[in-house]
Amino acid sequence: GQNIDQPTEMTATEGAIVQINCTYQTSGFNGLFWYQQHAGEAPTFLSYNVLDGLEEKGRFSSFLSRSKGYSYLLLKELQMKDSASYLCAVQTGGGNKLTFGTGTQLKVEL
Amino acid sequence: DTGVSQDPRHKITKRGQNVTFRCDPISEHNRLYWYRQTLGQGPEFLTYFQNEAQLEKSRLLSDRFSAERPKGSFSTLEIQRTEQGDSAMYLCASSFTDSPLHFGNGTRLTVT
Repeated sequence: GQNIDQPTEMTATEGAIVQINCTYQTSGFNGLFWYQQHAGEAPTFLSYNVLDGLEEKGRFSSFLSRSKGYSYLLLKELQMKDSASYLCAVQTGGGNKLTFGTGTQLKVEL
Repeated sequence: DTGVSQDPRHKITKRGQNVTFRCDPISEHNRLYWYRQTLGQGPEFLTYFQNEAQLEKSRLLSDRFSAERPKGSFSTLEIQRTEQGDSAMYLCASSFTDSPLHFGNGTRLTVT
């Protein structure tokens, strides 16, 4: 079976740093993705990790440990527009198919 | 690149009716995916195509659901004899082989 766990909700302050964790137990692993989804909108791609380590892209970084089945998304210099759901997804099997976690709803406050 | 386009954006139907949704992927993408998302949940995989071939279907996809991609471009998802449990956002995504999925804005289905 596939199990992907992430916190349901988080709250952080504008300008701060927040880390959203994701743990997974899946049959097969071809990579881990993070997507951002604003309410009523499409999920948009943020990052991809297939090897252990940190991938940095502007204010967003993502980390992967395959041996621990663990990833996190780090958001720096938080802005109000970062308030959204952040979805952790594991690519399993062929065809780029993604299995998603339930998403973490991030609220950025003043 | 106009992105993934889905039509309609919203559909309200009565239980027992049939509905059909359309997805136009990014034109160069060879893979097309259908996902379903309910409130507070992540998207759940339904099926995917490579060109016109349907390569995988989820066990979530009952016999009432059928998807086609006849010419390897746009795709349709049909739900027959809709039930209230079918109410959800239906998301379409497309990609190149081994590239991230690009999602459309979805079709929100409400079954009354």
